[in-house]
Amino acid sequence: DAGITQSPRHKVTETGTPVTLRCHQTENHRYMYWYRQDPGHGLRLIHYSYGVKDTDKGEVSDGYSVSRSKTEDFLLTLESATSSQTSVYFCATYDAGGYTFGSGTRLTVV
Amino acid sequence: QKEVEQDPGPLSVPEGAIVSLNCTYSNSAFQYFMWYRQYSRKGPELLMYTYSSGNKEDGRFTAQVDKSSKYISLFIRDSQPSDSATYLCAMSDKGGSEKLVFGKGTKLTVNP
Repeated sequence: DAGITQSPRHKVTETGTPVTLRCHQTENHRYMYWYRQDPGHGLRLIHYSYGVKDTDKGEVSDGYSVSRSKTEDFLLTLESATSSQTSVYFCATYDAGGYTFGSGTRLTVV
Repeated sequence: QKEVEQDPGPLSVPEGAIVSLNCTYSNSAFQYFMWYRQYSRKGPELLMYTYSSGNKEDGRFTAQVDKSSKYISLFIRDSQPSDSATYLCAMSDKGGSEKLVFGKGTKLTVNP
């Protein structure tokens, strides 16, 4: 997906450990989002950002925190991973042309 | 009632068929409506973006919005095996800069 890079692409971690997922964009878009996608639930918004150091909670923010110190980077942190956070995580940006999604991070918490 | 309802399918059709995908919603403030296509193990990609009621056509794809019925549709004409994917509807009330609300997606398979 042009302009958005998510890292890592895959991760397996143990319950109780902290995990940070990174989203990097090269489009200089102001708005950035973190979604999780689960079978039976679709895409659900975790947190979003409307500028550097400006963030807000989404629908399923419990257990997650975010930071945005630069326009191009939006970090999602699971403070203490739980099995219920096993999911595919997508980062997205927005401009006048609509939303653009990254390729996703597949996270497994064991 | 969920804000956005979408039949998850799966939907299986022969190549060349006309496909109809639908979503209903409950929030009358929604004004911006989108359809995304998601191939397996990929991120969603924007397919159609419409504002308010009416139709929008792009090649083999037509998006319809009926705000009075709170109902949106995506039609695919002359479907191809390459159209096999999950189709997600999404909507918002504020021009797309705010959060989107997604349907759960409909998985479509077009058989050659």
